[in-house]
Amino acid sequence: GENVEQHPSTLSVQEGDSAVIKCTYSDSASNYFPWYKQELGKGPQLIIDIRSNVGEKKDQRIAVTLNKTAKHFSLHITETQPEDSAVYFCAPPPLQGGSEKLVFGKGTKLTVNP
Amino acid sequence: NAGVTQTPKFRVLKTGQSMTLLCAQDMNHEYMYWYRQDPGMGLRLIHYSVGEGTTAKGEVPDGYNVSRLKKQNFLLGLESAAPSQTSVYFCASSYVGETQYFGPGTRLLVL
Repeated sequence: GENVEQHPSTLSVQEGDSAVIKCTYSDSASNYFPWYKQELGKGPQLIIDIRSNVGEKKDQRIAVTLNKTAKHFSLHITETQPEDSAVYFCAPPPLQGGSEKLVFGKGTKLTVNP
Repeated sequence: NAGVTQTPKFRVLKTGQSMTLLCAQDMNHEYMYWYRQDPGMGLRLIHYSVGEGTTAKGEVPDGYNVSRLKKQNFLLGLESAAPSQTSVYFCASSYVGETQYFGPGTRLLVL
């Protein structure tokens, strides 16, 4: 099966600091690379995605960068706030097939300390 | 617009019992998915469907069956529950792939 690795598995930062989570995948024929956020007791929710025709995408305090040659994409959160505390998942599509399926990483638990 | 809903929210089963989890979406999405989430394991795909009347196996399909008789509903069945099926189950839907919209989850405990 496809190999998706996220690092780090846990991350603790002070409010206002930046956080970076990296996702490495073994291979993907897709051009679609999303990040999901899961708050405690809820289902995951898409927060940002990127397509391989661009190297970076920003949406206010969050950004995603993609290095398709090196097979990794990263989530960047600036000026972190306590409400950013959650588990974050990358979910690149698998090599076989299109983006009807996603392969979720094991998640990164982010804690933002006030 | 309720999005994706799941029934029940919580259930306790004894080993060997059967049950069905119901997922409903009101977004007219073609694709629907069932995942299980265990501590440290992320989300693992059990089964999915790319349209009414179709189903396909995901990463961990053993011990589960699914049906998609109506476009808006996706049922997950456990014929003979085992303690290893204790987990949180999430249903999701998407229009034709890519962005998936998740339900709130069903917490299942098998004793």
